[in-house]
Amino acid sequence: AQTVTQSQPEMSVQEAETVTLSCTYDTSESDYYLFWYKQPPSRQMILVIRQEAYKQQNATENRFSVNFQKAAKSFSLKISDSQLGDAAMYFCAYRRVTDSWGKLQFGAGTQVVVTP
Amino acid sequence: EAQVTQNPRYLITVTGKKLTVTCSQNMNHEYMSWYRQDPGLGLRQIYYSMNVEVTDKGDVPEGYKVSRKEKRNFPLILESPSPNQTSLYFCASSLTGGRRISGTLHFGNGTRLTVT
Repeated sequence: AQTVTQSQPEMSVQEAETVTLSCTYDTSESDYYLFWYKQPPSRQMILVIRQEAYKQQNATENRFSVNFQKAAKSFSLKISDSQLGDAAMYFCAYRRVTDSWGKLQFGAGTQVVVTP
Repeated sequence: EAQVTQNPRYLITVTGKKLTVTCSQNMNHEYMSWYRQDPGLGLRQIYYSMNVEVTDKGDVPEGYKVSRKEKRNFPLILESPSPNQTSLYFCASSLTGGRRISGTLHFGNGTRLTVT
C-alpha cells in the first residue's frame, strides 16, 4: 500500500518570502506521478504542479518548484516570492501509472498562511 | 469550458433520508471517482469508475452507492445517511489511455454535506 505523509499541518510565510512544504511517500513502484494541489477557501482543488517519476528533472511552474528525491521518496514544494493569493491548503498526492484504477492517494494537507 | 460539475454545493439533511449528489463532466473522460475530505485525513477515495457500467470500491465505500449509466454522469447515492458521513465530497475525472494513465485528475467544486 502507498501512503503519503505531510508532516507540517501549518506553515506561515511573509509576503515575498519563500516557503517549502515537505511531502514523503511510501511505494514499491518505480513508475508513478506526484502532484501538488492547492485548495483555497473556495474549496476548489487546483493543480499546482505535477512530476513524473521517470523524469529526473524537477518540475517548475512559475513561482512553484519541486525538489523530487526519488531514492529518498521525498517531494517537497517550494513557493517563491509568496503572495497573499497563495494562502491555501496544499495537498501532496501520489498516483501509480500502471494502476488500472488510477487512485490518487493524498496526504493530510499543509495549511499555508501568508502574512503581509 | 471543460469542467466537472457537482450539485448541490451545500446539503443539509437528516439521518436516514436518502440523497443523491450529482456529478457530470464534459471532457469525455473514461475515469470518474468520488472522494471525501475530512480534517487531518486529506481526501480518501469512496468509489471509482473506469467506464460505463464499470464501478468499484475505493478505500471508504461503506454507506455509499454509485452508478455509471452514461459516460458523463457519476452520481453518488447515500441510501441512509448517518452523521459520520458529514464531510466535503469531491467528484473527479480523468482520461485513461493504454498503459499510461494521463495522470491529472480534474475536480468538481465540492459538496459540503451535513447529516444531523
